[in-house]
Amino acid sequence: AQSVTQPDIHITVSEGASLELRCNYSYGATPYLFWYVQSPGQGLQLLLKYFSGDTLVQGIKGFEAEFKRSQSSFNLRKPSVHWSDAAEYFCAVAPSGAGSYQLTFGKGTKLSVIP
Amino acid sequence: DAGVIQSPRHEVTEMGQEVTLRCKPISGHDYLFWYRQTMMRGLELLIYFNNNVPIDDSGMPEDRFSAKMPNASFSTLKIQPSEPRDSAVYFCASSYPAGGPETQYFGPGTRLLVL
Repeated sequence: AQSVTQPDIHITVSEGASLELRCNYSYGATPYLFWYVQSPGQGLQLLLKYFSGDTLVQGIKGFEAEFKRSQSSFNLRKPSVHWSDAAEYFCAVAPSGAGSYQLTFGKGTKLSVIP
Repeated sequence: DAGVIQSPRHEVTEMGQEVTLRCKPISGHDYLFWYRQTMMRGLELLIYFNNNVPIDDSGMPEDRFSAKMPNASFSTLKIQPSEPRDSAVYFCASSYPAGGPETQYFGPGTRLLVL
């Protein structure tokens, strides 16, 4: 069974600073990989996803993520954080191929932004 | 599009009572997912439907939980009888074939508190 680890429970950054949120997964092959964001009291919104091809994927709101097979990682980055980015971020994996409907989520990383 | 709609947004009930959570997926989406989010366990997939048919309910915690999808625009998750450990945020999500079942669109969630 696949699993996802987000080692940082809470991260605080200053507005304008760069951001990297870590995600490591465990899966027998290359899975489908996702990052979601959850604002307080809201549902989850898809930021970006990786299925295959270019290992650097661009998402919404200026976020990008890089898939590194050798490290089983899919870290999320943003060059300059805005106060509105304060939220909780979830990495998720799904088995690749047919029937890949079951997302497994990490426990999330809460991002706080200092003005 | 209105997005995935869930009701109620908040529910407070007493132990032993029946609780019914409701979901209206995005029109045209033929996959529907129910998730539960708690601090201890994070986001867990409970059950998902394809074309109104339950495909995998292995995540349903026990027989007290049941889910139905009588038509393409409505689903319910019922807990009977409810227990304090059922307190959580319950999310509904839907997806469509062109976007891949992995691209799930989440509702705002129902926050359930069982006293």
